[in-house]
Amino acid sequence: NAGVTQTPKFRVLKTGQSMTLLCAQDMNHEYMYWYRQDPGMGLRLIHYSVGEGTTAKGEVPDGYNVSRLKKQNFLLGLESAAPSQTSVYFCASSRQGATLSYNEQFFGPGTRLTVL
Amino acid sequence: KQEVTQIPAALSVPEGENLVLNCSFTDSAIYNLQWFRQDPGKGLTSLLLIQSSQREQTSGRLNASLDKSSGRSTLYIAASQPGDSATYLCAVYSSASKIIFGSGTRLSIRP
Repeated sequence: NAGVTQTPKFRVLKTGQSMTLLCAQDMNHEYMYWYRQDPGMGLRLIHYSVGEGTTAKGEVPDGYNVSRLKKQNFLLGLESAAPSQTSVYFCASSRQGATLSYNEQFFGPGTRLTVL
Repeated sequence: KQEVTQIPAALSVPEGENLVLNCSFTDSAIYNLQWFRQDPGKGLTSLLLIQSSQREQTSGRLNASLDKSSGRSTLYIAASQPGDSATYLCAVYSSASKIIFGSGTRLSIRP
């Protein structure tokens, strides 16, 4: 099993450009998450999904959109990138939700995004 | 609002020592708490998950405890090794959308 994979690993954008980050998991997990990690601020939840076809906002959703058309994939889109979106983006998945007992999160390797 | 704090931000100890990393949270109404390890430039690796009804979890040289009433969790690492050098993060699960991470403790084990 590959676990959680993310594409691409690195990307440099100019302000105003758009892009999509792809997350894929092969563990048949219901829940998937997108986080951003910034120095000194830990990880912050952007959006999450509780199953195929569903999405919900996390702590810092502004400027991002997501889609979960297939259970194994969770896409994160930036429609008009801004320098404030320079960060490392992590995708994670879990079998169950955070409020249930078996909800260990598994993380992808991250995507390092720079917006100039 | 749930806040998660990890102190110290950085720690350096000689190889072989036992050490404790701290994680504190402000709202005791949590479901679970998870400890992660992150190597430079890498993703997060899950170390231990403690359910709210549990007091501790053990895996090899690692032992994590949870005291909800005092809003604290500790990660105990026995007989530290240079390979343990990494950043350790704790995450508190307050609801499906409220998974709050601490800023981490950067651990360095000196040979």
